Amino acid sequence: DGGITQSPKYLFRKEGQNVTLSCEQNLNHDAMYWYRQDPGQGLRLIYYSQIVNDFQKGDIAEGYSVSREKKESFPLTVTSAQKNPTAFYLCASSYSSGSFYEQYFGPGTRLTVT
Amino acid sequence: AQTVTQSQPEMSVQEAETVTLSCTYDTSESDYYLFWYKQPPSRQMILVIRQEAYKQQNATENRFSVNFQKAAKSFSLKISDSQLGDAAMYFCAYRGLNSGGSNYKLTFGKGTLLTVNP
Repeated sequence: DGGITQSPKYLFRKEGQNVTLSCEQNLNHDAMYWYRQDPGQGLRLIYYSQIVNDFQKGDIAEGYSVSREKKESFPLTVTSAQKNPTAFYLCASSYSSGSFYEQYFGPGTRLTVT
Repeated sequence: AQTVTQSQPEMSVQEAETVTLSCTYDTSESDYYLFWYKQPPSRQMILVIRQEAYKQQNATENRFSVNFQKAAKSFSLKISDSQLGDAAMYFCAYRGLNSGGSNYKLTFGKGTLLTVNP
């Protein structure tokens, strides 16, 4: 089955610790994205990557870091510098050319930092 | 910067009835895509329908259709014969095609929570 997997579904961390959220896709998509969802805020873009070994900051990149060493994988690290890390995180992917512009989403990871 | 506005935080509809969700957007671009995504309680984002701005014909997917008014920058979603499984948060999203390196990003509205009453 083709799709996007995010693990784990729920993640708990103590304040001051870095934590890495996993995102893997087998859709052969070039582009991958990380969004943060808070109640009443919709989805906000954290980082995106159009090709391997390249990524750009989105609208709320402060306190986050990413890597794109493989086409299939785009892990997100929430660092201790992120002031309000508790949120629902969604990973997405898409083709980067042609007419297929829609993004496909993973099931999300709920991160709680106490 | 593009913005997407969904002016209805919550809507409700009776089962089998029709409901329309509103979305407006602001852009200076001439070429772009618009999307409606559904997020049920499972929180999985599901694409409902998409519209290319250069197409005048409104997109339709089974019970879901849009009313795309480019000049007014309006993109409403109509759900016909509403079913209990349609209950979800619905997000309108914009993707520009003229913005160079940033033309892959989606800009989302804040969502409309749809309740379907039996």
